[in-house]
Amino acid sequence: SQQGEEDPQALSIQEGENATMNCSYKTSINNLQWYRQNSGRGLVHLILIRSNEREKHSGRLRVTLDTSKKSSSLLITASRAADTASYFCATSYGQNFVFGPGTRLSVLP
Amino acid sequence: EAQVTQNPRYLITVTGKKLTVTCSQNMNHEYMSWYRQDPGLGLRQIYYSMNVEVTDKGDVPEGYKVSRKEKRNFPLILESPSPNQTSLYFCASSYAGSNYEQYFGPGTRLTVT
Repeated sequence: SQQGEEDPQALSIQEGENATMNCSYKTSINNLQWYRQNSGRGLVHLILIRSNEREKHSGRLRVTLDTSKKSSSLLITASRAADTASYFCATSYGQNFVFGPGTRLSVLP
Repeated sequence: EAQVTQNPRYLITVTGKKLTVTCSQNMNHEYMSWYRQDPGLGLRQIYYSMNVEVTDKGDVPEGYKVSRKEKRNFPLILESPSPNQTSLYFCASSYAGSNYEQYFGPGTRLTVT
């Protein structure tokens, strides 16, 4: 199993600060995706980075991928209270997806 | 509206009583998956399907069955549920053109007593 693992497990920051979450995985991947989940609801896709890419941006999100270290990071800039949620990385090889346990982000107003 | 629907959303049942959780998508996606989510463990893939009549095991398939007779539907069957299958279940669909970005259903909370 190419288990992904996020770090930290939980993160609390003030509104306006940046939040960084890390993800590590174990085996070769086609791509790595980040998802967001609000309290018990379905996951929502945020951003995908392919294995041959090193960095990708989408709005306030910045994702990096280091395949040599088998790690990725998600940066949320200028955080808002509405960013409070759990964030998961997911690695895939074909249709076999592996999600990490997630990082619980709390953005305090 | 493009969506993945699951039914029921909540279910309390007893050990050994067969149940089916339905999943349907209206986006003509060829790929569908089932996951269970447990505290501290993230999401674990149960089964996935690459197209009609094509299914494969994920990481935790024991105790579950699936079928894909139509492209839009991918039901999850628990023939003899046990308390360790109490969990939050998600269905998801995707297609190759999006690099398999997954669209998730709202979840089904299952309790087996």
